[in-house]
Amino acid sequence: AQRVTQPEKLLSVFKGAPVELKCNYSYSGSPELFWYVQYSRQRLQLLLRHISRESIKGFTADLNKGETSFHLKKPFAQEEDSAMYYCALSSSTLGRLYFGRGTQLTVWP
Amino acid sequence: EAGVAQSPRYKIIEKRQSVAFWCNPISGHATLYWYQQILGQGPKLLIQFQNNGVVDDSQLPKDRFSAERLKGVDSTLKIQPAKLEDSAVYLCASSLGGVGTDTQYFGPGTRLTVL
Repeated sequence: AQRVTQPEKLLSVFKGAPVELKCNYSYSGSPELFWYVQYSRQRLQLLLRHISRESIKGFTADLNKGETSFHLKKPFAQEEDSAMYYCALSSSTLGRLYFGRGTQLTVWP
Repeated sequence: EAGVAQSPRYKIIEKRQSVAFWCNPISGHATLYWYQQILGQGPKLLIQFQNNGVVDDSQLPKDRFSAERLKGVDSTLKIQPAKLEDSAVYLCASSLGGVGTDTQYFGPGTRLTVL
């Protein structure tokens, strides 16, 4: 069965500190992995996907198939990074997303 | 480009009443999704349309929920009768093609409270 686990419900760091949001998944096949973000009073939006292998707003995420993880990292957190972050997966053929429960990141000044 | 539109933004009803939500996807997007997000959880898919056909409704409680996408554009999601546990945010999303690599664009959601 498909499952996305985000072990931390809340995560707080100070500005300039490194941040890592954890995501583990289970999926029988080759999944597509995503990070979606929801800033305060805004709609859910795509932050990045593993297939693009790009850095968005300083965030990166590496797919580790051996550990079935897709952790989101940023070396120097900024206050504007405070938001709810959701890890999600889909199959390559069907678009439906399976979401984790989300991690609320707070970056203190 | 205009984003995904949803209405109403908020709705409060009593249990056993009926309610309907409307979604207008991004122009040209073939695939439309309805997700339910209960407080403290991630969104969960209720139904996926490809044009006006249903691709996946395995998680839709069909005894009380129904959805349609007439003419392959707008969509409505209905709950009849509503239960207390239906209190949630209902999110509509659309994507260009509907395959796993497509970006999904989300609407602002409709927050439903069932009393």
